[in-house]
Amino acid sequence: AQSVAQPEDQVNVAEGNPLTVKCTYSVSGNPYLFWYVQYPNRGLQFLLKYITGDNLVKGSYGFEAEFNKSQTSFHLKKPSALVSDSALYFCAVKTSGGYQKVTFGTGTKLQVIP
Amino acid sequence: GAVVSQHPSRVICKSGTSVKIECRSLDFQATTMFWYRQFPKQSLMLMATSNEGSKATYEQGVEKDKFLINHASLTLSTLTVTSAHPEDSSFYICSARRSGVLTDTQYFGPGTRLTVL
Repeated sequence: AQSVAQPEDQVNVAEGNPLTVKCTYSVSGNPYLFWYVQYPNRGLQFLLKYITGDNLVKGSYGFEAEFNKSQTSFHLKKPSALVSDSALYFCAVKTSGGYQKVTFGTGTKLQVIP
Repeated sequence: GAVVSQHPSRVICKSGTSVKIECRSLDFQATTMFWYRQFPKQSLMLMATSNEGSKATYEQGVEKDKFLINHASLTLSTLTVTSAHPEDSSFYICSARRSGVLTDTQYFGPGTRLTVL
């Protein structure tokens, strides 16, 4: 079985400071990893993904994430937070090869304080 | 980027009526679409997987006769909530799977807020 853990329900960061939203995963096999963002009363927007290649993945709106196989982590980062980054962030995982369901984490609410 | 639309964005209905929600992939073909339900301040709960031209696969605990799914084409899947009751009120989100060489990503629709009175 595959699983995703987002250990923080909420992360608060001051505008302009770097932000990190944590995610760890558990799968059998090679993982496909994703980050999505959800604004209030909206669907999820795709931010970035890791399938293969460089461990550092760059995505939309200046976000990036680093795949760390030994720590089974895929933390989302941004060098300088904006107030508009305040939203709900979901990490997701699926195993590679063939059809597999995507498993979502419970979400982390990011609050950027002006 | 890939675009998925959902219609309607918001619906209010009386108890006992049926509501149909459409999910369309606008710029790619999706052999697989997914329907999720999201409760306030919670993660997404996968309800069913919709495959074009075949019956949907429902998750455990989801009533297939209540949540009817039809995936008639490579760009359209519909979810019909039959005989809706207040406990069916929720935020329903669809997604379409875009797969190919070195890509396997789900793109989400904007969601449909269902309120059953």
